Amino acid sequence: GESVGLHLPTLSVQEGDNSIINCAYSNSASDYFIWYKQESGKGPQFIIDIRSNMDKRQGQRVTVLLNKTVKHLSLQIAATQPGDSAVYFCAENPSSYNTDKLIFGTGTRLQVFP
Amino acid sequence: DTAVSQTPKYLVTQMGNDKSIKCEQNLGHDTMYWYKQDSKKFLKIMFSYNNKELIINETVPNRFSPKSPDKAHLNLHINSLELGDSAVYFCASSQEGRASTEAFFGQGTRLTVV
Repeated sequence: GESVGLHLPTLSVQEGDNSIINCAYSNSASDYFIWYKQESGKGPQFIIDIRSNMDKRQGQRVTVLLNKTVKHLSLQIAATQPGDSAVYFCAENPSSYNTDKLIFGTGTRLQVFP
Repeated sequence: DTAVSQTPKYLVTQMGNDKSIKCEQNLGHDTMYWYKQDSKKFLKIMFSYNNKELIINETVPNRFSPKSPDKAHLNLHINSLELGDSAVYFCASSQEGRASTEAFFGQGTRLTVV
């Protein structure tokens, strides 16, 4: 399934299926992007990052795709597990603003059902 | 050992009171941040300190005053608390003083103003 992380939508997937979470970022000059996972009652936890000179990066069960043409970022989770249930945030570093901060998207809630 | 720790985890207080939230990181990072997460899960940076020096000060009421006694600590003091200050506040730290590296987050402080 797919989702656009604009207004904290919910993506529901069955255990074992692949999940795709999408994010539209705002600044075409942003050079660094991160996906964070936030479980209930906890702080955001780093999942994977990608720099603007790449269009794909793979981790363990996760892949991030970057499309700079349309300013789009996606997180793919293979073989989704119940422990993947959380809110997922994309974040960008708009370095062209000459500031040192991450700007977070609004998040997507992933629910995994058996 | 906890990398980024905040205290307290929960804070319930009356309007008009003054309160502080403490944050410590044992990662040896140069930069620390405070983020605010509202009821819709939106994460927004408030402050950034690099080696005890204020780097970023977003549009935050001056009732909020960060204090960094050393580079491992960044406390947040809030004066004259208002109902709208209710949120979860996250402390974070990152290496190299650049947001182009992953930030490690604390578990958050849920502030409820009544």
